Amino acid sequence: ELKVEQNPLFLSMQEGKNYTIYCNYSTTSDRLYWYRQDPGKSLESLFVLLSNGAVKQEGRLMASLDTKARLSTLHITAAVHDLSATYFCAVDGTSGSRLTFGEGTQLTVNP
Amino acid sequence: GAVVSQHPSRVICKSGTSVKIECRSLDFQATTMFWYRQFPKQSLMLMATSNEGSKATYEQGVEKDKFLINHASLTLSTLTVTSAHPEDSSFYICSANSGTSGGPNGELFFGEGSRLTVL
Repeated sequence: ELKVEQNPLFLSMQEGKNYTIYCNYSTTSDRLYWYRQDPGKSLESLFVLLSNGAVKQEGRLMASLDTKARLSTLHITAAVHDLSATYFCAVDGTSGSRLTFGEGTQLTVNP
Repeated sequence: GAVVSQHPSRVICKSGTSVKIECRSLDFQATTMFWYRQFPKQSLMLMATSNEGSKATYEQGVEKDKFLINHASLTLSTLTVTSAHPEDSSFYICSANSGTSGGPNGELFFGEGSRLTVL
């Protein structure tokens, strides 16, 4: 059974600081996703990582994938308040878009 | 880009009634769609895989007679919560892949979600 674990689950940080969210998964996978969820809303796609060593960046967020370590990271650079949200990683272990989600990381960026 | 639309976005019903939620792929055909449930402050849990023209595949612990899934066309899947009870109150989200087989050429899209409140 595929298990996906995120840490930390709660993260409170000041504006301007950097931090990393970690996502570990238990079995081999074809692709890994990062999503953002605002309260009361559905998921917003951030990144899709398809291969070992993949790195993608969008604004203050950068995601990477190490398939050998079964680890993905989401790095936040110089955080701003607008980044406050819950971030989920999700793993597709079956090549069929059937996702297993991590527990989510609730990020709060304080002014 | 491709869009997956859910309706209704919010529904309130009385205990014991049934509620239907629709998930539509607006500009692509989806032979497979997925239904997730999310309780407050929790992650998304896959409930079932909806297959066009055949029976849905349910995850362990999900009652197939309570959560009826119909995927009658390549653009529409419906989830019916039968005899709803307060513990069924949740945020239900569907997803669909725009590729023909969910492979590298496809992109995964999520609907806006449907919030069910059972009184």
